[in-house]
Amino acid sequence: ILNVEQSPQSLHVQEGDSTNFTCSFPSSNFYALHWYRWETAKSPEALFVMTLNGDEKKKGRISATLNTKEGYSYLYIKGSQPEDSATYLCAFYNAGNMLTFGGGTRLMVKP
Amino acid sequence: GAGVSQSPSNKVTEKGKDVELRCDPISGHTALYWYRQSLGQGLEFLIYFQGNSAPDKSGLPSDRFSAERTGGSVSTLTIQRTQQEDSAVYLCASSTIIDYEQYFGPGTRLTVT
Repeated sequence: ILNVEQSPQSLHVQEGDSTNFTCSFPSSNFYALHWYRWETAKSPEALFVMTLNGDEKKKGRISATLNTKEGYSYLYIKGSQPEDSATYLCAFYNAGNMLTFGGGTRLMVKP
Repeated sequence: GAGVSQSPSNKVTEKGKDVELRCDPISGHTALYWYRQSLGQGLEFLIYFQGNSAPDKSGLPSDRFSAERTGGSVSTLTIQRTQQEDSAVYLCASSTIIDYEQYFGPGTRLTVT
């Protein structure tokens, strides 16, 4: 069983605040790290696929960084909006091609 | 198709009955995955297919669970002799190849009474 942990489990922020959360994963046999956004009553939606140590990816106000040597990735949201409210999942691919999801960070943005 | 589709969207069944869940991946996607989310739990990986082959079945919770994929397309997840603990949302996803981003279907909500 691979240990993929996300923190915090939940987060309440005010509209306009910037925020970030963490995904930690085993640093050995790294293959890829995925971030997904999962809104209530919808399917998870892919945000980023990250494969290289030091990778930084950006999509609009959302960005992510990756450190494979120490086994963590950060997801940043700049200027949070109510529509950003969702659960953000990271998923770790090891060299054996097994995808393990973290428990998610549930973000709630208050208007 | 435009996206991953799953059927049925909701299924209520009596304990002990068999159920079959269906997933239609995006056309051309060679990799297909099954997950489930039980109430209050995270996403649990069940099984994946590369083409019609499932290299790793260790994620299936018990031998009552089986899955198959035919023609490199449609997949069915079968649960025999359902138990109440099988109640969950079963999600299917597909990707072009094994390590690319996954596109999820809307899920099947299974309730075992």
